[in-house]
Amino acid sequence: DQQVKQNSPSLSVQEGRISILNCDYTNSMFDYFLWYKKYPAEGPTFLISISSIKDKNEDGRFTVFLNKSAKHLSLHIVPSQPGDSAVYFCAATRGYGGSQGNLIFGKGTKLSVKP
Amino acid sequence: DAGVTQSPTHLIKTRGQQVTLRCSPKSGHDTVSWYQQALGQGPQFIFQYYEEEERQRGNFPDRFSGHQFPNYSSELNVNALLLGDSALYLCASSLGALAVPDTQYFGPGTRLTVL
Repeated sequence: DQQVKQNSPSLSVQEGRISILNCDYTNSMFDYFLWYKKYPAEGPTFLISISSIKDKNEDGRFTVFLNKSAKHLSLHIVPSQPGDSAVYFCAATRGYGGSQGNLIFGKGTKLSVKP
Repeated sequence: DAGVTQSPTHLIKTRGQQVTLRCSPKSGHDTVSWYQQALGQGPQFIFQYYEEEERQRGNFPDRFSGHQFPNYSSELNVNALLLGDSALYLCASSLGALAVPDTQYFGPGTRLTVL
């Protein structure tokens, strides 16, 4: 039973355009969400996070939106760059600050940004 | 400043054997979490070590055990290997078991193949 779902295995976007990666969750107890980027032969790298008390968090070209009623979050990358090509994982946790080790990950979306 | 390091990089074992994977946390970090990432899946939480004790555990059988040393490095042991144990094993470190999830750093992983 997948609690965090990334239904798009892959996404291809033109350089300079917007990339939108989606994530759905089923556990209403989740109160903190994160996005990670992973290049081949490297571990996941933290990108951006959002707590359930917010509906938007921005960091440079990256913005995460949270819709609690729909149990849906999305990551927007604007503008997309070829260096953004990687696998993106959505992760969730409950008990923010108390269970930081126990992250529940989605299966990932492979983003390809074409020059 | 060295990040999280893991050894070995790759490992091949046969069914029924035992394996030990090693992790050195990022300098200044005292908490280590282990994840298993099967092919095409997201990382799955195995357990977390803090102050040389297992603090949290995911849904993994007792064949998976670990240890944390006084210098905060950690080992993951898997007994009676099964074909399904083939995966990338990721180690993540942070400062404090209650730290914000954003501050968790992942190592590059150990690729275990069970034949």
